[in-house]
Amino acid sequence: EVQFLESGGGLVQPGGSLRLSCAASGFSFTRYTMNWVRQAPGKGLEWVSTISDNGSGDNTHYADSVRGRFTISRDDSKNTVFLQMYSLRAEDTAVYYCASRLTHHFDYWGQGVLVTVSS
Amino acid sequence: EIVMTQTPLSSPVTLGQPASISCRSSEGLVHSDGNTYLSWFHQRPGQPPRLLIFEVSNRFSGVPDRFSGSGAGTHFALKITRVDAEDVGVYYCMQATQFPWTFGQGTKVEIK
Repeated sequence: EVQFLESGGGLVQPGGSLRLSCAASGFSFTRYTMNWVRQAPGKGLEWVSTISDNGSGDNTHYADSVRGRFTISRDDSKNTVFLQMYSLRAEDTAVYYCASRLTHHFDYWGQGVLVTVSS
Repeated sequence: EIVMTQTPLSSPVTLGQPASISCRSSEGLVHSDGNTYLSWFHQRPGQPPRLLIFEVSNRFSGVPDRFSGSGAGTHFALKITRVDAEDVGVYYCMQATQFPWTFGQGTKVEIK
């Protein structure tokens, strides 16, 4: 069974940093693209970042709203994808989901982790 | 950036009756590989989204056949033939043809 466990969320002050983790199980992690999607309280879904499998050259992509402040990475030895977030702003407050592309875009999702940026 | 526009934003429906959601993209969604990466997701309150439809009209594993997707070019639709109580929530279309990938605003389906 495909499963994701996100961690690392919490309360952080504006300008602060946080690193989210998403530990995957139930599939051959190294072969697949992984993504982060976020949802601000009461709002819709926003794609944040994508990282291809390392066999594809470790390509990464970012939404304009986070480019230069967030970095996506993966550790295939730990079946984990990360989202390092710097210079956090109030508008980054959201539930952050990791989601896979095993066969189709965003086919499996984690339960999400809440990030709150506030002083 | 491709803008995805859903209508309606709210849809009160009667149990057992059909429902339909429209999704329009600001540009065509045919990828250079020939596929059209238009998906539909359903999100219940307090839950993560789940994939319903991929590549316009293909139901994902375990999705009931009362759900169907259609469309081409810049016009797409999700249809529910007979709404069930478990279908309440918010539905999103999404394009993954061109970065940045973008979602529609969401359509809230509720029972009358």
